[in-house]
Amino acid sequence: QKEVEQNSGPLSVPEGAIASLNCTYSDRGSQSFFWYRQYSGKSPELIMFIYSNGDKEDGRFTAQLNKASQYVSLLIRDSQPSDSATYLCAVKAGTALIFGKGTTLSVSS
Amino acid sequence: DVKVTQSSRYLVKRTGEKVFLECVQDMDHENMFWYRQDPGLGLRLIYFSYDVKMKEKGDIPEGYSVSREKKERFSLILESASTNQTSMYLCASRQGTTEAFFGQGTRLTVV
Repeated sequence: QKEVEQNSGPLSVPEGAIASLNCTYSDRGSQSFFWYRQYSGKSPELIMFIYSNGDKEDGRFTAQLNKASQYVSLLIRDSQPSDSATYLCAVKAGTALIFGKGTTLSVSS
Repeated sequence: DVKVTQSSRYLVKRTGEKVFLECVQDMDHENMFWYRQDPGLGLRLIYFSYDVKMKEKGDIPEGYSVSREKKERFSLILESASTNQTSMYLCASRQGTTEAFFGQGTRLTVV
């Protein structure tokens, strides 16, 4: 069974710090990777996607992919209290997206 | 904006009832999905559909069935609701390699 693993957290960082969220996946053939943010009681919303090895930056967010190590990460720079949420890593497996259990991030002001 | 709409935000049903959860998307996406989300277990795929009348089992299909008679609508059916099916149900749609767009979720309680 294809798996996506994340540390459940909580990950606690002070406001203005860098938050680092990590994800590993089992299917070596996976090609597409997504990071979703989910606030309590709300649906997941896409933050970033990445397909190629290396870094992809979008504002305060940077996604990093290392296919050889089967590892994808999300860095949040200048973390804000509004970034406090659960972050879900998702990997495309055929037609479906397989999700990790999520990492809860808490940013204290 | 892509819109995925689930018919109910909250539902309370009795054990043994047949329950229908409806999902409609307005972007002509081929692929639609039903997930359930439980604390500590994350999002788990129940069923998905890649075309009208086509369906595939996900990781936890037991106790559920689905129907896709029209491209825009994907229904999840609980044949005989049980208390262990109390959960948040999320519908999603996507096209090709793009991200999945989620509905607002249905919080189902089976009593």
